[in-house]
Amino acid sequence: AQKVTQAQTEISVVEKEDVTLDCVYETRDTTYYLFWYKQPPSGELVFLIRRNSFDEQNEISGRYSWNFQKSTSSFNFTITASQVVDSAVYFCALSEAGGTSYGKLTFGQGTILTVHP
Amino acid sequence: NAGVTQTPKFRILKIGQSMTLQCAQDMNHNYMYWYRQDPGMGLKLIYYSVGAGITDKGEVPNGYNVSRSTTEDFPLRLELAAPSQTSVYFCASSYSISAPLGNEQFFGPGTRLTVL
Repeated sequence: AQKVTQAQTEISVVEKEDVTLDCVYETRDTTYYLFWYKQPPSGELVFLIRRNSFDEQNEISGRYSWNFQKSTSSFNFTITASQVVDSAVYFCALSEAGGTSYGKLTFGQGTILTVHP
Repeated sequence: NAGVTQTPKFRILKIGQSMTLQCAQDMNHNYMYWYRQDPGMGLKLIYYSVGAGITDKGEVPNGYNVSRSTTEDFPLRLELAAPSQTSVYFCASSYSISAPLGNEQFFGPGTRLTVL
């Protein structure tokens, strides 16, 4: 069975600090997809990134970057120069690619990030 | 495009009552999903559908039923509501998976349900 663990329940930082959110996953599939979603205080889920298991290149998008390491089954998310608007719950999720997976997502329990001015 | 819409936004039920949570998408997605999010927890899959007329159970299906008569709609039925069903319910949709790419799921705004 697949599992996603976000060990950090809550993180509190001051604006402009860098912050890394950890995500560790377990799966038996060799082909799978990893996602990060943001849930701001308004409650909706916002897609941030998708990474497939064959692509271990790190990705940067503005102040956001992601570090995918298959050797340690980790897919960590870093926010550089954090801002108050980054305050949200962040979820890491996994989808297996097998024939009966149908894109079903397994979520971690989420990390609450609070950025103080 | 409205994306994924859910109604109602909020609902309070008494124990034993029934209700249907509505979900619709206008993106012609094949796959649709229902998740629940309990306080301080991640989302857990209740039911999913891979097309009209085809549904299957997820991780936490007990106490719920679904149907999918059209591509657009995927209602979730709660029978005999219990306090344990107090949660936020999210509906999502995505294209059919085609290897090797996985498609993102588009989420609705959620329905906050309280059972007293």
